[in-house]
Order: sequence, then C-alpha cells, then structure tokens
Amino acid sequence: NAGVTQTPKFQVLKTGQSMTLQCAQDMNHEYMSWYRQDPGMGLRLIHYSVGAGITDQGEVPNGYNVSRSTTEDFPLRLLSAAPSQTSVYFCASSFYAGSGTSYNEQFFGPGTRLTVL
Amino acid sequence: GENVEQHPSTLSVQEGDSAVIKCTYSDSASNYFPWYKQELGKGPQLIIDIRSNVGEKKDQRIAVTLNKTAKHFSLHITETQPEDSAVYFCAASSYNQGGKLIFGQGTELSVKP
Repeated sequence: NAGVTQTPKFQVLKTGQSMTLQCAQDMNHEYMSWYRQDPGMGLRLIHYSVGAGITDQGEVPNGYNVSRSTTEDFPLRLLSAAPSQTSVYFCASSFYAGSGTSYNEQFFGPGTRLTVL
Repeated sequence: GENVEQHPSTLSVQEGDSAVIKCTYSDSASNYFPWYKQELGKGPQLIIDIRSNVGEKKDQRIAVTLNKTAKHFSLHITETQPEDSAVYFCAASSYNQGGKLIFGQGTELSVKP
C-alpha cells in the first residue's frame, strides 16, 4: 500500500494564480482532511470529508475549495493564491469514527510546501 | 469550539533523561487524545493515543496520562534517545466530531548525545 500520497512536493505561485494540491489514499478510508502547518501554530484543519460527496469546513477554510467525488481522492483548490497561504499542506485520512478498527488514527501524507510570492 | 494549548514549545534534554510535554483542552466533550511525532521533512505519525475512559497508557518508553477533571493530558518519554528528536503534537477530538482533530502548537524536542 502506498498510504497517503500528495503531489506536488514543492510549488511556487504568484499572487492571484490558482492551483490544485492533489491527495490520494489507497486504504479505503472514509475520512479525509487537509491541514496547513505554520511555525508556532501547529496543524490547522482547512476542510474535511467523511465520504464521497460530503465535505465540510474546518478551522481555516477561507480561500480554499474541496470536493470529494471518489473515496480515494480529495483535492484542495486555491482559487486565487495569496502570500498568507504560504505554508506546508498535509492531507490525512482515517477510518470514520465508529466504523473501523483504528478509531480516529489519522495517516498523514508527506506534505506539499507552497510558497506564494 | 475546542482549543488545545501545548507546552513547552521547545525542550532540550540529555540522552537518557526523561521528557514531559503537557497539553490542556477546553471542550469537556473531547474524549480522544492522540500524540503525533513529526520528523524533519515528513508528515506527522501517531505514536500513542488515549481515550477518556482511561487515565494512563504505556507503550515501552512512552506513556500518556489524562486528567479529565483538570482537562489536561501529558506525554512522558523515558530514557530518551537521539532518535526521539522531533516535533511532537498533541490533539483532541470527540466522538461526535468524527475524525475532526484539533492540534496543539507543537513541541520541538532535542535529545543531545
């Protein structure tokens, strides 16, 4: 199993550009989420999904869009990049609480380091 | 909503010493408290977790304690080794929030040989 994969590893954007961060998992997890990591602020939840066709906002959703058309994929879209979105982005997945053997254990991808100039 | 505070932000210990990292949470409904370890350039990885019906859990050199009354929980690492050097995150969640975790700010642990 590849686990959780993210592409690209690094990306540099100019202000106003758009892009999609890709995330895929092969563990048949219902729950997927996106976090951003900034120095001194830990991991903050951007958006999450408890299954295909279902998404919801986390702590810091502004400026980001998500969709979940399949169990495996959960892309994160930046519609108009801003310097404040410079961060390291992590995708994670887990069995949905109560539905699997690993209660809430989240498996993280390797991250995407994004710089917005 | 839930808020998790983690201390200290940095911790330096000598190899063989113990390390303790503390977290407090605000939502009394929270009932799941995992700890993640993040090595340089990698994503966080679960190292131990505890549920609210348990006061302490051990796994070899790692232990976690939970005080629900005071709403705080701690990570204890004994006989530290250089490979324990990493950033550690605590988190909190409740069953009715599904997999939604709220993380602390992180602790950078440095173990000096």
